[in-house]
Amino acid sequence: GQQVMQIPQYQHVQEGEDFTTYCNSSTTLSNIQWYKQRPGGHPVFLIQLVKSGEVKKQKRLTFQFGEAKKNSSLHITATQTTDVGTYFCAGPGSNFGNEKLTFGTGTRLTIIP
Amino acid sequence: GAVVSQHPSRVICKSGTSVKIECRSLDFQATTMFWYRQFPKQSLMLMATSNEGSKATYEQGVEKDKFLINHASLTLSTLTVTSAHPEDSSFYICSARDPWRSYGYTFGSGTRLTVV
Repeated sequence: GQQVMQIPQYQHVQEGEDFTTYCNSSTTLSNIQWYKQRPGGHPVFLIQLVKSGEVKKQKRLTFQFGEAKKNSSLHITATQTTDVGTYFCAGPGSNFGNEKLTFGTGTRLTIIP
Repeated sequence: GAVVSQHPSRVICKSGTSVKIECRSLDFQATTMFWYRQFPKQSLMLMATSNEGSKATYEQGVEKDKFLINHASLTLSTLTVTSAHPEDSSFYICSARDPWRSYGYTFGSGTRLTVV
């Protein structure tokens, strides 16, 4: 079945440093979504990318979808303590019209003040 | 944005008893809802797809007789963990999407189940 892996599993950064998490799918994706889950909380939708090579920005966050639509990345510039949490990528099922998502393994970000 | 309410947020039950978890879409209709389980420091694992007015679709390895799902209305899905055992202790989360407002899914706040 479809597998979605993320690296690194954990990342500890000093406040103000940059952070990047990489997402790789075993299958080609029609789109990729990113979610953030704060400690003790639930996932919150951040963004969806659809087009090959697409790049989207949300303030300090930059999201990229690979040319082959099998990988994606999330880059945070100048991290802040509010960025703490686990970042998940998620891709839809491989069947047409299949809405269910397969979540990546996640990258847990901790910030050292 | 779309709001999904999930109750209870925490529950402790004795081994062998059943627990019902409710998931409601408060400001939109959800013909489909999804139920996930998340173990500590792990990712979300899809358990089943809840379909309004029809049977749920379970993922491979998920026991349908143990995790009963009912989606009787366009705004409510319930997950009942029957004859719970300590290994069922986990974080259960539901999600749904309002296609008119977002591409992404809205998650409930989750239910932390502890079976003693």
